[in-house]
Amino acid sequence: QKEVEQNSGPLSVPEGAIASLNCTYSDRVSQSFFWYRQYSGKSPELIMSIYSNGDKEDGRFTAQLNKASQYVSLLIRDSQPSDSATYLCAVRIQGAQKLVFGQGTRLTINP
Amino acid sequence: DGGITQSPKYLFRKEGQNVTLSCEQNLNHDAMYWYRQDPGQGLRLIYYSQIVNDFQKGDIAEGYSVSREKKESFPLTVTSAQKNPTAFYLCASTTGGTAYGYTFGSGTRLTVV
Repeated sequence: QKEVEQNSGPLSVPEGAIASLNCTYSDRVSQSFFWYRQYSGKSPELIMSIYSNGDKEDGRFTAQLNKASQYVSLLIRDSQPSDSATYLCAVRIQGAQKLVFGQGTRLTINP
Repeated sequence: DGGITQSPKYLFRKEGQNVTLSCEQNLNHDAMYWYRQDPGQGLRLIYYSQIVNDFQKGDIAEGYSVSREKKESFPLTVTSAQKNPTAFYLCASTTGGTAYGYTFGSGTRLTVV
């Protein structure tokens, strides 16, 4: 089992709808969780971080964490064509000074 | 403005040649990392360093070498022993605290010719 797993997609969502991206992780003592957005040919950009169970909202983005289920998700409300990108989930395991990345989910927002 | 600078943006390597990718940061971050990304894939860790003059192998260190002589700099050498080096290479840094994610450089695209 991979340490961090994402559905590679592509995930296609109509403009204005909610895009839902999911990530599962295998290590129960993971403590920090991050979502990165990566446009084609560019480097990843940090968009959300979450450390406690529950929801964290920032503008159109909401990160959700459920440590019991080892599950973290990213919701994008009112999706825009500019949200079309690959979204990478990253997890920091307790005591480790490095992030483990999922393979990314490619999201396409259709006008 | 603070940030991470990677150079060159594009690099072409001939068979049997060693090449060095530069990574410089002015964020005063302690920890620095090198990742490799292949098309349609996630990021795989090559090497990382948490302090000057010390570094650790990541998951795919074979065929690569690094140095950390200064806090600001973490160059990566792709040696001739790396048989499939064509990829997008990303350098990142962080303060090292568990609450912080990485800041990435803009990347170097390496192609074998």
